[in-house]
Amino acid sequence: GAVVSQHPSWVICKSGTSVKIECRSLDFQATTMFWYRQFPKQSLMLMATSNEGSKATYEQGVEKDKFLINHASLTLSTLTVTSAHPEDSSFYICSARGLAGVHTGELFFGEGSRLTVL
Amino acid sequence: AQSVSQHNHHVILSEAASLELGCNYSYGGTVNLFWYVQYPGQHLQLLLKYFSGDPLVKGIKGFEAEFIKSKFSFNLRKPSVQWSDTAEYFCAVNEMDSSYKLIFGSGTRLLVRP
Repeated sequence: GAVVSQHPSWVICKSGTSVKIECRSLDFQATTMFWYRQFPKQSLMLMATSNEGSKATYEQGVEKDKFLINHASLTLSTLTVTSAHPEDSSFYICSARGLAGVHTGELFFGEGSRLTVL
Repeated sequence: AQSVSQHNHHVILSEAASLELGCNYSYGGTVNLFWYVQYPGQHLQLLLKYFSGDPLVKGIKGFEAEFIKSKFSFNLRKPSVQWSDTAEYFCAVNEMDSSYKLIFGSGTRLLVRP
């Protein structure tokens, strides 16, 4: 199956700093990428939809100035958590959909990135 | 707004017991349906998916799910669970509109006792 890779897997940062998480589709071109957030023992909450070459679409309640998403190429999307605070600590997961999944919605998931803000 | 409900939050079974996890969704249009599994410390993996055709779908590791359109349900089943099935299971649905956003249920944490 298609492979999606996230980097870094773990990141610890000080409050007030910004953190960038990368999501790459390794063996296919991802026309759309989705960013999810998973709190401990909870489900995945969709944060935003990222289309290559256009602005991301954010879900209700997600601050677009806080969570900057860039999808500059068909294989890379980045999520930047700006001025991170302890409440931003979470597990962030990206997923990608290739051309084959346009009409089915099938997604491939990255390993996730655990952010801890001190 | 579309929603996905998983009624069983925690399930504990002994090995060889049968499993059925419930999943209901609220969207009335055409949907694609998925079950994902997350083993401890690992990322999400696709167990099975339904797009169209036979409503009884077979997935990996002996899992199957049945789509019952009239009940808006997509329950996951396995006749005989193993200790290695201990994991968290997520039902997910997307609407076949322009966004194809995948919406997840709250998850069911399964513990299989040896």
